Amino acid sequence: AQSVAQPEDQVNVAEGNPLTVKCTYSVSGNPYLFWYVQYPNRGLQFLLKYITGDNLVKGSYGFEAEFNKSQTSFHLKKPSALVSDSALYFCAVRVLSGGYNKLIFGAGTRLAVHP
Amino acid sequence: SAVISQKPSRDICQRGTSLTIQCQVDSQVTMMFWYRQQPGQSLTLIATANQGSEATYESGFVIDKFPISRPNLTFSTLTVSNMSPEDSSIYLCSVVYRSSGGNNEQFFGPGTRLTVL
Repeated sequence: AQSVAQPEDQVNVAEGNPLTVKCTYSVSGNPYLFWYVQYPNRGLQFLLKYITGDNLVKGSYGFEAEFNKSQTSFHLKKPSALVSDSALYFCAVRVLSGGYNKLIFGAGTRLAVHP
Repeated sequence: SAVISQKPSRDICQRGTSLTIQCQVDSQVTMMFWYRQQPGQSLTLIATANQGSEATYESGFVIDKFPISRPNLTFSTLTVSNMSPEDSSIYLCSVVYRSSGGNNEQFFGPGTRLTVL
């Protein structure tokens, strides 16, 4: 079955330190991978995606993600965390099912950045 | 990006009643999706709603419980019928839209927070 796993329910990091939010995937064929962020009482916002090409993808708000095919991972990273980065982060993979492209989401990881 | 609005933003309903959620997009889009996010959980796709065809439901979701309308390329509704407390969730509308960069991206509305008593 095609799926996405986010092994950490919560990640805590001090402001100014680098952060990593982990994601692994299981899909057939070449994966289309995404990261979304959900701030409190707001909808999901697109951060970045990997389709093909350079394994290091840069996105919004200074985030980046590294695609690693051998480890089937797509970890989200940021060199220096901000308190305002505190939110719920979702990794997702696009799959073709029933004639439609659909997003399958991981369980989400809550990022808490402390001053 | 596409701007998506949903009405209502939140509601508290009695069990056994029905609620219709509206989704309005500021651009014409072919593909629209409805997701459910139960408390503390991830997003689960309910159905795909394309204009001019019947909605396609995911496993575990049926039309009688979640009827969907898609009358035009900018609007859709999702009805949660005969509600029970287990239907308490955030319901999100989503669209695929060609962004300024020329790529198709999936955008999400702000969600409708439903509480069923």
